[in-house]
Amino acid sequence: DAGITQSPRHKVTETGTPVTLRCHQTENHRYMYWYRQDPGHGLRLIHYSYGVKDTDKGEVSDGYSVSRSKTEDFLLTLESATSSQTSVYFCAISETTGEQYFGPGTRLTVT
Amino acid sequence: GNSVTQMEGPVTLSEEAFLTINCTYTATGYPSLFWYVQYPGEGLQLLLKATKADDKGSNKGFEATYRKETTSFHLEKGSVQVSDSAVYFCALSLEKLTFGTGTRLTIIP
Repeated sequence: DAGITQSPRHKVTETGTPVTLRCHQTENHRYMYWYRQDPGHGLRLIHYSYGVKDTDKGEVSDGYSVSRSKTEDFLLTLESATSSQTSVYFCAISETTGEQYFGPGTRLTVT
Repeated sequence: GNSVTQMEGPVTLSEEAFLTINCTYTATGYPSLFWYVQYPGEGLQLLLKATKADDKGSNKGFEATYRKETTSFHLEKGSVQVSDSAVYFCALSLEKLTFGTGTRLTIIP
C-alpha cells in the first residue's frame, strides 16, 4: 500500500466552526489531491497540488482552502463548516498525472 | 468536457457467476483508463489500468480492454467470489482523474 495517512479518521463538528483535515504521505510524490465522496456523485475533486506551495482548484472548491508547505503534507480547511460539507474526504497522491493512490478517508459530519 | 458513465447498480450475483460492469467515456483527447475498487470502510484501490487503445488491463482475475472505437472500458471477471463484493469505479485520466459514479457489487454464496 502507498504510504498515505489521513487524520482525523472521523470528526463531528458544528456548523460555523473551522475544520482542518490532514493528509500525510511518505512516498515523496509530487501531486496531492483532495476529493469528497457523496452518494450518487462518485468522487469529486476539491483541490489539488502539483508541488510545494503550488495548488489549484477542482470542480467543488467553494468553501474549502488548502495548503502545502512540505512535500509530505497537504491540508484541507473548511473555514466555516456547513451541513452540505458532511461527506467522506479522501486524499490521493500521484507521481505523474496518471494513476492515483488513495488514503483511507476521513468521515466528517457537520451538525 | 470529460465524463465517465458506468452501469447503474446495485448488481447482485451468485458466487461463480460471470461479471460485466459497463463503462463508457467521453474525452477530448486520448485518456488513460482505470478501474478502482473500494471495499467497505476503505479508500479506493487501483484494480487495473490501460493507457492506449486495445490495451488490456488485468489483475486478480478481472480484465478490461480499452476500446477506442466504442469509447468503452468494460470490467469483466469469469467467476466472482464473495470477497469481490465492493464498489467499483471506472475513471479516465487526462491531466486529472474523472470518475464514474460507482457500481455496488454484491456476491451471494
